[in-house]
Amino acid sequence: DQQVKQNSPSLSVQEGRISILNCDYTNSMFDYFLWYKKYPAEGPTFLISISSIKDKNEDGRFTVFLNKSAKHLSLHIVPSQPGDSAVYFCAASDGGGADGLTFGKGTHLIIQP
Amino acid sequence: NAGVMQNPRHLVRRRGQEARLRCSPMKGHSHVYWYRQLPEEGLKFMVYLQKENIIDESGMPKERFSAEFPKEGPSILRIQQVVRGDSAAYFCASSPSGTEDYGYTFGSGTRLTVV
Repeated sequence: DQQVKQNSPSLSVQEGRISILNCDYTNSMFDYFLWYKKYPAEGPTFLISISSIKDKNEDGRFTVFLNKSAKHLSLHIVPSQPGDSAVYFCAASDGGGADGLTFGKGTHLIIQP
Repeated sequence: NAGVMQNPRHLVRRRGQEARLRCSPMKGHSHVYWYRQLPEEGLKFMVYLQKENIIDESGMPKERFSAEFPKEGPSILRIQQVVRGDSAAYFCASSPSGTEDYGYTFGSGTRLTVV
């Protein structure tokens, strides 16, 4: 049973446009969410996070939105750049850090020139 | 300031052999996490360790897998009597404390291939 779902295996966006990556979760105990970016043959790199007490967090071109009632979060990248082409993983935690993160399967974002 | 170092980057083992994966956390980080990524899958949590202690091993298979983080030296993930299904990328992450507030720092992974 997948508790964190990224239903789009891949997404193609034109350079300069907005990229929107979606993530749904089922565990209502999750209270902290993170996005990671991963290039081939490298480890995931932390991108941005959001606590369940917020509904939006922004960092430069990256914004994460959280809709707790819908158990849905999204990552917006504006404007999209070629270097953004990577696999993006959504991850969630039920707090404390003692348990590991639960990851989605990832979305491969391809930025078209 | 070196990041999380994992070695080897690639490891090939025959069925039945042992695999040892090493992870040196970032300087100042005392918390280590191991994750496994099977082909076409997301990362799956395996184990969380602090120095000399296993805090949470709820994601570890019950048999053949073990992990340690000694007082001195790297954290080791050991897989005994490997089988083809163990072929995966194994990622180690570290954090300065047991909180995910700043996100983990991941290593580049060890790709294990069992032939």
